[in-house]
Amino acid sequence: DVKVTQSSRYLVKRTGEKVFLECVQDMDHENMFWYRQDPGLGLRLIYFSYDVKMKEKGDIPEGYSVSREKKERFSLILESASTNQTSMYLCASSADRGTYEQYFGPGTRLTVT
Amino acid sequence: AQKITQTQPGMFVQEKEAVTLDCTYDTSDPSYGLFWYKQPSSGEMIFLIYQGSYDQQNATEGRYSLNFQKARKSANLVISASQLGDSAMYFCAVPHSPSPGGTSYGKLTFGQGTILTVHP
Repeated sequence: DVKVTQSSRYLVKRTGEKVFLECVQDMDHENMFWYRQDPGLGLRLIYFSYDVKMKEKGDIPEGYSVSREKKERFSLILESASTNQTSMYLCASSADRGTYEQYFGPGTRLTVT
Repeated sequence: AQKITQTQPGMFVQEKEAVTLDCTYDTSDPSYGLFWYKQPSSGEMIFLIYQGSYDQQNATEGRYSLNFQKARKSANLVISASQLGDSAMYFCAVPHSPSPGGTSYGKLTFGQGTILTVHP
């Protein structure tokens, strides 16, 4: 079974804090993705990575950065959290650049106060 | 760029009845496929069913089936014999169309989602 895990299910941070969201997959997948999910907007892609140290911006990268130092781990960083970054964050992985089926983690519900 | 639309923010169905969740898409990629995912209240997205654009027959997976109508650019999810555990958010998604010479890297574009509530 593919397993994608995220470091926290719920997180509360203060405005201006630096926030790290961690995602780990155990299936040697090449691609990893970070989405945020907001009511009425579906899932929007923040960043994705197709290899170690390789990353590309998604549709809404502003205010976020990512890191992929190891194949199994993909981190999302909020350099200075703001209240409009309160959201559900979902991590996903897929096998390779030609495979579209994505496997998701349980999500992190982040609240910025 | 492709666009995917789910026009039903919420749907209600009686237990044991069938329900259809709508999804329309607009993509320039001739080799697209379409995915449906389920998201229970726990938050994890669960893959349900996939159909490629060249598949001749509509995909089925247990109680889930896809009603693919290419002329209308729609790929609706049909859930037969609804169960209480089917109450969840449902998303359809299409592969991202890369720019000329580019690679999609397995990206998906998701619809806005439909909340399904199954009543006993």
